[in-house]
Amino acid sequence: DGGITQSPKYLFRKEGQNVTLSCEQNLNHDAMYWYRQDPGQGLRLIYYSQIVNDFQKGDIAEGYSVSREKKESFPLTVTSAQKNPTAFYLCASAGQRGETQYFGPGTRLLVL
Amino acid sequence: AQSVAQPEDQVNVAEGNPLTVKCTYSVSGNPYLFWYVQYPNRGLQFLLKYITGDNLVKGSYGFEAEFNKSQTSFHLKKPSALVSDSALYFCAVRDSSGGYNKLIFGAGTRLAVHP
Repeated sequence: DGGITQSPKYLFRKEGQNVTLSCEQNLNHDAMYWYRQDPGQGLRLIYYSQIVNDFQKGDIAEGYSVSREKKESFPLTVTSAQKNPTAFYLCASAGQRGETQYFGPGTRLLVL
Repeated sequence: AQSVAQPEDQVNVAEGNPLTVKCTYSVSGNPYLFWYVQYPNRGLQFLLKYITGDNLVKGSYGFEAEFNKSQTSFHLKKPSALVSDSALYFCAVRDSSGGYNKLIFGAGTRLAVHP
């Protein structure tokens, strides 16, 4: 987990509320990624970014939004349009060649 | 399209015995293959990767993986399992289509090592 921080560790969302998950890395990596993990399932890609001010939709981008204003930061917003947001969210980053991804400790999002 | 399959949901092994966690892949071109481990409520930890070279790749915590091109497999192995190896293991393959590097993950295999 070293070098990538995610906050908060737990997040509670009320219905109709937007919430933002933080991801910061000090590895000087160009690429950053957001994944969603549901119980007993693998990882599904939400959004990814190869460089600052550029990002791409992954397989399950609906109901989520991101920004990449700084190289070290890639926040994820879970909007009210995401009807089933309860999951474990993982952020990752990778160097210029984009081979090995390194993961943060995750944020668990729960709905009140 | 690139894909990986982990055919076993769970693997059970006795402490001290060798362990194998299976992974098969389907890619166009040369595969870049990875293994990660996840402990409860934690992020994924990188174990090892195959890009090119020797078919036997050594990684962290005594794990190794064998790349077999003819069988399109990349099985994770350890000669002697520890109870602390009990975790969720993911195999992944790089997808560089469209000029962007992504990882495609398998569904995961839960390893249970019994004392």
